[in-house]
Amino acid sequence: DAGVIQSPRHEVTEMGQEVTLRCKPISGHNSLFWYRQTMMRGLELLIYFNNNVPIDDSGMPEDRFSAKMPNASFSTLKIQPSEPRDSAVYFCASSLKGDEQFFGPGTRLTVL
Amino acid sequence: AQSVTQLGSHVSVSEGALVLLRCNYSSSVPPYLFWYVQYPNQGLQLLLKYTSAATLVKGINGFEAEFKKSETSFHLTKPSAHMSDAAEYFCAVHGGTGGFKTIFGAGTRLFVKA
Repeated sequence: DAGVIQSPRHEVTEMGQEVTLRCKPISGHNSLFWYRQTMMRGLELLIYFNNNVPIDDSGMPEDRFSAKMPNASFSTLKIQPSEPRDSAVYFCASSLKGDEQFFGPGTRLTVL
Repeated sequence: AQSVTQLGSHVSVSEGALVLLRCNYSSSVPPYLFWYVQYPNQGLQLLLKYTSAATLVKGINGFEAEFKKSETSFHLTKPSAHMSDAAEYFCAVHGGTGGFKTIFGAGTRLFVKA
């Protein structure tokens, strides 16, 4: 199994631009999580999907952030417009039963 | 609300010494408990998990953790540290009074001195 796949691995953009992060979960997993990791705030859960449906998005910082899961094998996290404070490593994770999670390698986002 | 506390944001040990990373959780109902490890520039990966079977859980790379309900603890240990153990370690709790959510601790960075 290829594990959780994230793209791009690195993204550098300018303030105000739209950023789209992509995730392919492990085949057969029905839960998907988006996290953000920074030195200041540690690991934060942004949103959790179960069977492609958003269950808890209370961690999404503000309306500039949106996430979709159009099917069981693909999810996106979009930031529009991006701001320098959005700079972080964004992780996607998937799970079969919602407990043990398998993390992707992350996308390092830098907003200038 | 359910919470996870990792004592010490940084722990430094000498190569060959005992590794002890502390984790306490708050839940009146025993949850599932996990330890994850994160190496530089990588995602988190599972070290071990407790799911209400044996209280002493063995994981990868020689690590083990013991679930102690009376102390609401799930400390991670390894008898002899290796340089390759240098990483950040996260304790996590799932279920219990927290429902479907997995709550991660703040992490402990382990340094191993030669």
